Amino acid sequence: DQQVKQNSPSLSVQEGRISILNCDYTNSMFDYFLWYKKYPAEGPTFLISISSIKDKNEDGRFTVFLNKSAKHLSLHIVPSQPGDSAVYFCAASLIYGSGNTGKLIFGQGTTLQVKP
Amino acid sequence: ETGVTQSPTHLIKTRGQQVTLRCSSQSGHNTVSWYQQALGQGPQFIFQYYREEENGRGNFPPRFSGLQFPNYSSELNVNALELDDSALYLCASSSKQGGKIEQYFGPGTRLTVT
Repeated sequence: DQQVKQNSPSLSVQEGRISILNCDYTNSMFDYFLWYKKYPAEGPTFLISISSIKDKNEDGRFTVFLNKSAKHLSLHIVPSQPGDSAVYFCAASLIYGSGNTGKLIFGQGTTLQVKP
Repeated sequence: ETGVTQSPTHLIKTRGQQVTLRCSSQSGHNTVSWYQQALGQGPQFIFQYYREEENGRGNFPPRFSGLQFPNYSSELNVNALELDDSALYLCASSSKQGGKIEQYFGPGTRLTVT
């Protein structure tokens, strides 16, 4: 049961344009959503997160939009740069127990290529 | 850099052996989670430790076990290694402050089981 899905395995955009990465989820109990960037042979790098009570969060070139009714979120990167080329993972957090953060459930990833 | 470190970087083991992976969490983070990432997949949650106790577990058998120490560093132990255990093992430390959640990953340990 894939609770978090990234349906586009890859995306190619021109430098300077907008990159839009999409993610769908099925569990309405998720309380936070996070986006990570990953290069080969490295751990995922945290980019931005959004609480389920918000619909938008912005940090520099990165903006995440959350549409709870559609169970959909997206990451916008503007302007895209060649250094943004990497695999992007969407993750959803499910808090349980006494810990202050929950377990993350990841999508399959989308490979972004930004062409100069 | 996130401040989360893992050792060793790479490891080769034989089927049936046991392995211990180590993680030092970012300063101020009291929660540590472990993930397994197979090639071409997203990371899969193994378990989480909060204040030295297991705080939840994913769909992994009991031969995957862990520890968290008073300084919040952590170990992942895998007994009776199987070929399918070959993967990148990621440690993440996390915090929730001011209504924001952040979870930072270490560089991972690449385990190969032959």
